[in-house]
Amino acid sequence: NAGVTQTPKFQVLKTGQSMTLQCAQDMNHEYMSWYRQDPGMGLRLIHYSVGAGITDQGEVPNGYNVSRSTTEDFPLRLLSAAPSQTSVYFCASSYSSGRGEQYFGPGTRLTVT
Amino acid sequence: AQSVAQPEDQVNVAEGNPLTVKCTYSVSGNPYLFWYVQYPNRGLQFLLKYITGDNLVKGSYGFEAEFNKSQTSFHLKKPSALVSDSALYFCAVRDPTGGGNKLTFGTGTQLKVEL
Repeated sequence: NAGVTQTPKFQVLKTGQSMTLQCAQDMNHEYMSWYRQDPGMGLRLIHYSVGAGITDQGEVPNGYNVSRSTTEDFPLRLLSAAPSQTSVYFCASSYSSGRGEQYFGPGTRLTVT
Repeated sequence: AQSVAQPEDQVNVAEGNPLTVKCTYSVSGNPYLFWYVQYPNRGLQFLLKYITGDNLVKGSYGFEAEFNKSQTSFHLKKPSALVSDSALYFCAVRDPTGGGNKLTFGTGTQLKVEL
C-alpha cells in the first residue's frame, strides 16, 4: 500500500492564482481531512469528509474548496491564492472518524508571493 | 468547544533519562486522545491513543501515556530517552459527543534529546 500520497511536494504561486493540491489514499478509508501547519500554531483543520459526496468545513475553511467524488481522492482547491495561505498542507485519512488514528501524507509546501 | 494545550514549546532531556511531554485538554464529554510525532520534513506519525479502558496506554517506540480524567491530562512518557526520539510531538483530542468528526491538535512540543 502506498498509504496517503500528496502532490505536488512543493509549489510557488503568485497572488491571485488558483491551484489544486492532490490527495489520494489506497486504504479504503471513509474519513479524509486537510490541515495546514504554521509555526507555533500546530495543525488547523481546513475541510474534512466522512465519505464520498460528503464534505464539511473545519476551523479555517475560507479561501479553500474541496470535493469528494470517490473514496480514494480528496483534492483541495485554492481559489485565489493569498500570501496568508503560505503554509505546509497535510492530507490525512482514517478508517473511522471517531476512534481511528489518522494516517498523514508527506505534505505540500506552498509559497504564495 | 474542544481544545488541547501543550504548555511547553520545547523539552530538553539527556539520553537515558526519562522524558515527559505534557498535554491537557478540554471537552464537554469523554475524550478520545491521541499523540503523534513529526520528524523534520515529514508528515505526522501516530504514536498511541486513548479511547476507553485502562488509563495507561502503551504505544510505538516505547512511548506510553497516562489518561488522568480529574486533571484532564494525557502526558506522554518514555522511561529512557534516545537521541533518535528528538522530534516534534503533537497531542490531539476529539470529543465524540460535542466535537463531531473534528480532531483538534495542540501547538506541538519540540523534544530534544542530547548525549
